[in-house]
Amino acid sequence: AQSVSQHNHHVILSEAASLELGCNYSYGGTVNLFWYVQYPGQHLQLLLKYFSGDPLVKGIKGFEAEFIKSKFSFNLRKPSVQWSDTAEYFCAVNGMGYGGSQGNLIFGKGTKLSVKP
Amino acid sequence: ETGVTQTPRHLVMGMTNKKSLKCEQHLGHNAMYWYKQSAKKPLELMFVYNFKEQTENNSVPSRFSPECPNSSHLFLHLHTLQPEDSALYLCASSLRDFSYNEQFFGPGTRLTVL
Repeated sequence: AQSVSQHNHHVILSEAASLELGCNYSYGGTVNLFWYVQYPGQHLQLLLKYFSGDPLVKGIKGFEAEFIKSKFSFNLRKPSVQWSDTAEYFCAVNGMGYGGSQGNLIFGKGTKLSVKP
Repeated sequence: ETGVTQTPRHLVMGMTNKKSLKCEQHLGHNAMYWYKQSAKKPLELMFVYNFKEQTENNSVPSRFSPECPNSSHLFLHLHTLQPEDSALYLCASSLRDFSYNEQFFGPGTRLTVL
């Protein structure tokens, strides 16, 4: 079955540290890839997405992610985190042609990021 | 605010109760989704509606019954739930039921089944 793995359950960083959150998926076909973020007490919102083209995708708030097809990975990065980045981050994958209707997203379990001021 | 609202935000119910969750989107979207978010588990897709028609039922038990009277409203009717059904239930919408459409999420309903 298709799945998404996020390597870290909880990451704790100090402000200005660099961030990389891992995401791997299992699906051999064409994929669309997403990172969603959920700030404390707020709804899930889209951080960035990859559909095609440049595998390095830039999102909001200085986040970026790189799609490496050979590694089935879509890791999220930020050069310098801020206290306001404290949130839970979810990687999601949609594999074209699987999982019923094409709108279905398969989510990872999420990674909690805590940034110490 | 994402343009997707959910009511109630919190719900406590007994196993014999019947209740309903409501979702409304003000974005002009045509696809709506129900997800279940449990602690330490991935977000699970439950149902997908596209232009009011159900296009996906992800093997959800019949004690969960969705209803989509129009493209702006989505309900989840609950009856004879189990304690393990306690979770955060999220509604989402997108322009259409296509993979490249961003999904916009509501704040969720925190459900506790006693």
